Amino acid sequence: GAGVSQSPSNKVTEKGKDVELRCDPISGHTALYWYRQSLGQGLEFLIYFQGNSAPDKSGLPSDRFSAERTGGSVSTLTIQRTQQEDSAVYLCASNPQSLINYGYTFGSGTRLTVV
Amino acid sequence: GQQLNQSPQSMFIQEGEDVSMNCTSSSIFNTWLWYKQDPGEGPVLLIALYKAGELTSNGRLTAQFGITRKDSFLNISASIPSDVGIYFCAGQDNNAGNMLTFGGGTRLMVKP
Repeated sequence: GAGVSQSPSNKVTEKGKDVELRCDPISGHTALYWYRQSLGQGLEFLIYFQGNSAPDKSGLPSDRFSAERTGGSVSTLTIQRTQQEDSAVYLCASNPQSLINYGYTFGSGTRLTVV
Repeated sequence: GQQLNQSPQSMFIQEGEDVSMNCTSSSIFNTWLWYKQDPGEGPVLLIALYKAGELTSNGRLTAQFGITRKDSFLNISASIPSDVGIYFCAGQDNNAGNMLTFGGGTRLMVKP
């Protein structure tokens, strides 16, 4: 597609429920990133996929968070047993090559509210 | 790990004024990037800097890659209401793969 597409754009869920957030990167982009942005805060790195390599999961805040990327394209971020502190905007970004010098292209994010 | 300190955290200025914000790092970066985030949107790349000392302009925006490679600034001249948003610096270290480290952001508010 023309840009990075994320869905849903907004998600309200009850505490304790599981949620899945989807990211469709730009076609052909081999690198895909998930970031979390809490209200009024900066960007917190969560996980990074590069081609067929094992993902860098070093930013995942707990074992309730997981992500997968199928076929080197679409990625799903799953949060199990959601907590109120998980409320944030979850941003996905992609990049066309292993060198980052051209910067990431971000999606518009999924705003998650846990009530 | 690497940390980026971005300042100021927020600015409230009059339309037409110039704006300056900066980032400093505890370690060296090979690339500095500046992004802008509009409300409800993801960050969009404004300027990328690749060489120490490099000064790059994009319209009313000017950014510089510090000589020490540990800092960068972004200037906006003659601000207009659509400049409102959150500005993020980001640094990339070739020795850390292609990960970007982001600053905490500068929230800019412009009074017409």
